[in-house]
Parts: sequence; structure tokens; C-alpha cells
Amino acid sequence: AQSVTQLDSHVSVSEGTPVLLRCNYSSSYSPSLFWYVQHPNKGLQLLLKYTSAATLVKGINGFEAEFKKSETSFHLTKPSAHMSDAAEYFCVVSNGYAYNNNDMRFGAGTRLTVKP
Amino acid sequence: GAVVSQHPSRVICKSGTSVKIECRSLDFQATTMFWYRQFPKKSLMLMATSNEGSKATYEQGVEKDKFLINHASLTLSTLTVTSAHPEDSSFYICSASFATGHTDTQYFGPGTRLTVL
Repeated sequence: AQSVTQLDSHVSVSEGTPVLLRCNYSSSYSPSLFWYVQHPNKGLQLLLKYTSAATLVKGINGFEAEFKKSETSFHLTKPSAHMSDAAEYFCVVSNGYAYNNNDMRFGAGTRLTVKP
Repeated sequence: GAVVSQHPSRVICKSGTSVKIECRSLDFQATTMFWYRQFPKKSLMLMATSNEGSKATYEQGVEKDKFLINHASLTLSTLTVTSAHPEDSSFYICSASFATGHTDTQYFGPGTRLTVL
């Protein structure tokens, strides 16, 4: 079984400063990893995903994440925060093996606050 | 591409009534659809997985007779909350996926907020 731990429940940054949202995973298989963003009362939007290709994954809105197998981490970063980045972020792991991906495990979420 | 819609976006009902929520993949055929429940300020909890034309697979602890799932076509799945009670009030989110090799990506709908009075 796989699981994911988001190390910070809340991160606060100033606009224009870097963002780091931390995620560690546990998986028996070669995992697929995802970051989703959820704005208030909205559904989830896929930011990026890792599926055993390049370890540095670039996503939308300037976000990127690096898969580090030795550290079992998949931290999300952005060089410069924007006010519109304020939202809830979920790190998700799946076993990446099942043809029907019905074993996605969500982290508890990290709330990102961006101060002006 | 890969847009998933849900209807309604918000519903308020009386205790004891049933509510149906629709999930549609608008521009792709979904091999699998998923239903999640999200409590306030909490993460998503997978309720069930459904494949078109098959019975849904429910997660442990989810009452299949209470949360009826029908996956009638490759673009439509419905979740019916039967005999709803206030404790069923929650944010329900569906997702849909189509296979791309051995890894799938789930595309999420905008969610339906259910309030049971």
C-alpha cells in the first residue's frame, strides 16, 4: 500500500518569494506522483505529475516538482509566489501499476497563504 | 481538454429525501470514474470506483445501499445519496480517467456541496 505525508499543514509566504510545499511518499511499487491545487469551493486542478520519466517535472503556473527516490520526496516549488497561488495543495501517490488507477492516496493537504 | 462537470454544484435537501449527483466527462470517454467525499478542511476520501457497465467497487466503510452509483455510459456516472441525513452533508467530488499506457491521470469535477437539513 502507498501513502503520502505532507509535512506542513499551512505555509505562508510573501508575494514574490519562493514557495516550497513538502511531500514524502511511501510506495511498494514505482509510484506515480501528482500535485493538485484546490481553490475555495472548487474542484481539483492537476498541477503536474511524475510517471517515471524525467525526475524534474514542470507543471502549470510556474510550479515544478522533483522526484527524489533516495529521499522518497516529491516537493513542490515555485520561484516567485503570486497572490492567485493561495489555495489548498494536495500531494497524491498512486501505485502507477494498475491499469485502472483506483488506488490514489491523497495527502492531508497544505494550505498556502500569500501575503501582499 | 479533459474536462469533467458535475451537476448540481450545490444542493440543499430535507432529511430523508434522496439526492442524485451527476458527473460527466465532456470531451473524453472515461474508462473509470471515481467518487470522493471531502469534509471541511480535510483531504479527499475515496468512496467508490466505477467502470462503465459494471458494478461499482466501494471502499471499506462506505455503505453501498446508501450511496448508489450508476455508470451508465463512458461519459456519465451518477451518485445517489438515499435517505439523506445531516451527517451526509459534505462536498462530493467525482473524477474520471482514461488509460494512457499503464498510468492514468484523474481529472476532477468542480464538486457538489450537499447540505441536508
